[in-house]
Amino acid sequence: QQQVKQSPQSLIVQKGGISIINCAYENTAFDYFPWYQQFPGKGPALLIAIRPDVSEKKEGRFTISFNKSAKQFSLHIMDSQPGDSATYFCAASMVNYGGSQGNLIFGKGTKLSVKP
Amino acid sequence: EAGVAQSPRYKIIEKRQSVAFWCNPISGHATLYWYQQILGQGPKLLIQFQNNGVVDDSQLPKDRFSAERLKGVDSTLKIQPAKLEDSAVYLCASSLGRVDYGYTFGSGTRLTVV
Repeated sequence: QQQVKQSPQSLIVQKGGISIINCAYENTAFDYFPWYQQFPGKGPALLIAIRPDVSEKKEGRFTISFNKSAKQFSLHIMDSQPGDSATYFCAASMVNYGGSQGNLIFGKGTKLSVKP
Repeated sequence: EAGVAQSPRYKIIEKRQSVAFWCNPISGHATLYWYQQILGQGPKLLIQFQNNGVVDDSQLPKDRFSAERLKGVDSTLKIQPAKLEDSAVYLCASSLGRVDYGYTFGSGTRLTVV
């Protein structure tokens, strides 16, 4: 019930295309859903995050779509660029519970390659 | 604002040897986390500190791993003795409190056990 399932494992997109990465969760108590971007040799960096009270959040070329009833959320990267090539992780947390229950549960990651 | 500092960046040791990693969080961040990231997987929490107290160490293999955060600032993670399956990147992260408050990862230490 604590798992976050992420797909696909890898993704190749042409420059200018749309990259879509999906995540699913089981625990309805999760109340914070961030996406992290990780470049080789670096730690994950927060990209964008959403709360379950909204269905979509957009920041520049990055959009999170959230479907509470389906217990799914996805990351859309519009106009994908070679510089977006990285590994993307979805995560979930019960921040309002605090303590150890507020920790992040990560998906297994998606390696995105954007071809020029 | 300086980021989360970790050292060393890389470490190669033989199995059954010991190794220690160091982390200095962002100034003022009360909460510090150690994660293990095995190649091709997402980070997995090993231990969480709030100031110098342990909040969660349920996934820390306590027979070989130990961690401390003396004085509530920097922290060390130790493995003794190391096994081949401990080969991974060890990430440190810190936050002001909750994971949605200024949560920042360091660049990690890549450990190879041969």
